[in-house]
Amino acid sequence: GQNIDQPTEMTATEGAIVQINCTYQTSGFNGLFWYQQHAGEAPTFLSYNVLDGLEEKGRFSSFLSRSKGYSYLLLKELQMKDSASYLCAVKDSNYQLIWGAGTKLIIKP
Amino acid sequence: DVKVTQSSRYLVKRTGEKVFLECVQDMDHENMFWYRQDPGLGLRLIYFSYDVKMKEKGDIPEGYSVSREKKERFSLILESASTNQTSMYLCASSSGTGDNSPLHFGNGTRLTVT
Repeated sequence: GQNIDQPTEMTATEGAIVQINCTYQTSGFNGLFWYQQHAGEAPTFLSYNVLDGLEEKGRFSSFLSRSKGYSYLLLKELQMKDSASYLCAVKDSNYQLIWGAGTKLIIKP
Repeated sequence: DVKVTQSSRYLVKRTGEKVFLECVQDMDHENMFWYRQDPGLGLRLIYFSYDVKMKEKGDIPEGYSVSREKKERFSLILESASTNQTSMYLCASSSGTGDNSPLHFGNGTRLTVT
């Protein structure tokens, strides 16, 4: 079966750096997405990786290793507004999105 | 900015009722999707559509149907609501081209079936 694994919850301190991991086993691979979802709100797109390596976008970076079936989202200079759930999703060989359950990130002052 | 609007934020319905969830997008996107989101589970695809009057079953279509009469509108129908359909329902749209086309989500409808 197809599976996406992420930690359920993480806690970090304002101003620090946090890395949220995502491992996947899917039938084929056509890209990996990260979304941010604040409580009670819609998920919003953060990043897309299809080739190995690091994609940087301001305070957020996303890394992909296709051979290891592994990605991480790196958040730097954490702010209280970064408290949210972070969803990892992979497009499989049929171009369908397979979703992880999400990682709830709690930021403490 | 793409806007995806779901008609209701909260709905409470009784078992056996027919329920309509409406979704409208304003960016002329070809693709539209209905997901449900439950605690501890990833988003699960109910139905999707790549064109007007076209629909495809997702992973969990049982108990649901959809309608796409116009490009901008995608409706989810619960023919006879049951308590196990209590959930958050998310509508999304995306443009038709490119593997990296992200989904744009509505704010969701939290449905409670009693």
